Amino acid sequence: AQKITQTQPGMFVQEKEAVTLDCTYDTSDPSYGLFWYKQPSSGEMIFLIYQGSYDQQNATEGRYSLNFQKARKSANLVISASQLGDSAMYFCASSGSARQLTFGSGTQLTVLP
Amino acid sequence: DTEVTQTPKHLVMGMTNKKSLKCEQHMGHRAMYWYKQKAKKPPELMFVYSYEKLSINESVPSRFSPECPNSSLLNLHLHALQPEDSALYLCASSSGVGTAKDTQYFGPGTRLTVL
Repeated sequence: AQKITQTQPGMFVQEKEAVTLDCTYDTSDPSYGLFWYKQPSSGEMIFLIYQGSYDQQNATEGRYSLNFQKARKSANLVISASQLGDSAMYFCASSGSARQLTFGSGTQLTVLP
Repeated sequence: DTEVTQTPKHLVMGMTNKKSLKCEQHMGHRAMYWYKQKAKKPPELMFVYSYEKLSINESVPSRFSPECPNSSLLNLHLHALQPEDSALYLCASSSGVGTAKDTQYFGPGTRLTVL
């Protein structure tokens, strides 16, 4: 069984600043994946970034980076140079040997002008 | 542009109606998923199809009936729904390799309201 915990229900950040969204996970699978998705108010779940449990380097995709600390079981998302369009709900999710994603409760990010 | 499409975008139906949600993916994926999402909550998995066969049914009521006519299409047939079934219904697809790395890509969703 897997569990994802996102402890920040809501976050605010000033435009052009960086922000970190927290995610901790718990899993018994030796091999697992960690994902971040963005969901704007329109509803679509947009895949942002993936980190594999055996990856040595932290994943990066443009302004998104994943701060993966395996010993702490954390997979925080860092968004650099925030933009107004980054305002959305962000979900951390994990996958293991099964095909199913386990989602956290989400963090609502608001970027202030 | 998303490569997973869903129709309709919005649907309002009465409790006695029969309707269908449609999902199509153009990514060559072999696994497809239906999720239900209530406001301010994470998505909840309903069904998984792998290579056009139903592989996971998360104890969903029989008023929801999935169908996978081919590897690109996924339908969700709705009948005799309840008002509490009102939600955003998301379709997703993945390559189907069955490893932890298998990324799911979502469609834009159908907002369903049951009156």
